[in-house]
Amino acid sequence: DAGITQSPRHKVTETGTPVTLRCHQTENHRYMYWYRQDPGHGLRLIHYSYGVKDTDKGEVSDGYSVSRSKTEDFLLTLESATSSQTSVYFCAISVVAGNRRVDEQFFGPGTRLTVL
Amino acid sequence: RKEVEQDPGPFNVPEGATVAFNCTYSNSASQSFFWYRQDCRKEPKLLMSVYSSGNEDGRFTAQLNRASQYISLLIRDSKLSDSATYLCVVLPYGQNFVFGPGTRLSVLP
Repeated sequence: DAGITQSPRHKVTETGTPVTLRCHQTENHRYMYWYRQDPGHGLRLIHYSYGVKDTDKGEVSDGYSVSRSKTEDFLLTLESATSSQTSVYFCAISVVAGNRRVDEQFFGPGTRLTVL
Repeated sequence: RKEVEQDPGPFNVPEGATVAFNCTYSNSASQSFFWYRQDCRKEPKLLMSVYSSGNEDGRFTAQLNRASQYISLLIRDSKLSDSATYLCVVLPYGQNFVFGPGTRLSVLP
C-alpha cells in the first residue's frame, strides 16, 4: 500500500462543466502521474509531475490541466468536460531511491467519471 | 503499430491449467519490464518485474527476450483467484511507462 487516495471515487457530471479530481499521497513521493483507462486501450498517460510545480504533458493531455502546489496533492482538472472524457482515472506514484526514480509504479483506487 | 501489444484474449482455462501470456514491444530503448495484475473495477497492482535472466515467483514465471522484443508470463497450476486482467508494462530509457491493453484471464472451476 503506497498510501494513495483519490477523490471523488465516482462522479457524474454534465458536458461543459468543470471537474477536478484529487490525488493525495502520504509518503512524500516525488513523481506522480494521472492516467485514464478505456476499453480497448491500455492505461494512457495524461500528465505527470516530478516535483512541486513541476509538471509535464503525457500522450493524451488535450482538455486536461494539472497542478501540484504541495508534494502530497496532484490535481487533475477538466476545464469543460466532454463525453469523450468519460473514463476511469488512475493516479500513480513512482518510488524514488536517492534522487533516481525507481522503476515501479503504484496506483490509487481510481475515479470513475461519467460525462453526460 | 502500438508500442506494447498483448494477446487479445480472453483466456478461459480450467483450474490447474498452465497458461502463458505474450507481449511484444516496439521501442528497442526499453530498459525495464513488468507484469501488472488488474482485478475487475480495481487498480493495477504490480505482479512482478521481468529481468533479463528470467525470474520466478511461486507459480509465476516471467521471461524476457530483448533480441525479439518479447516478454512472457507463465502461470502454472491456475487458481480461481488468478482470474484478472494481466497488463504488460514497458519503461523505455528516459521516458514514461507504456502499458499494453491487457489480456483477460478467467479460471473456471
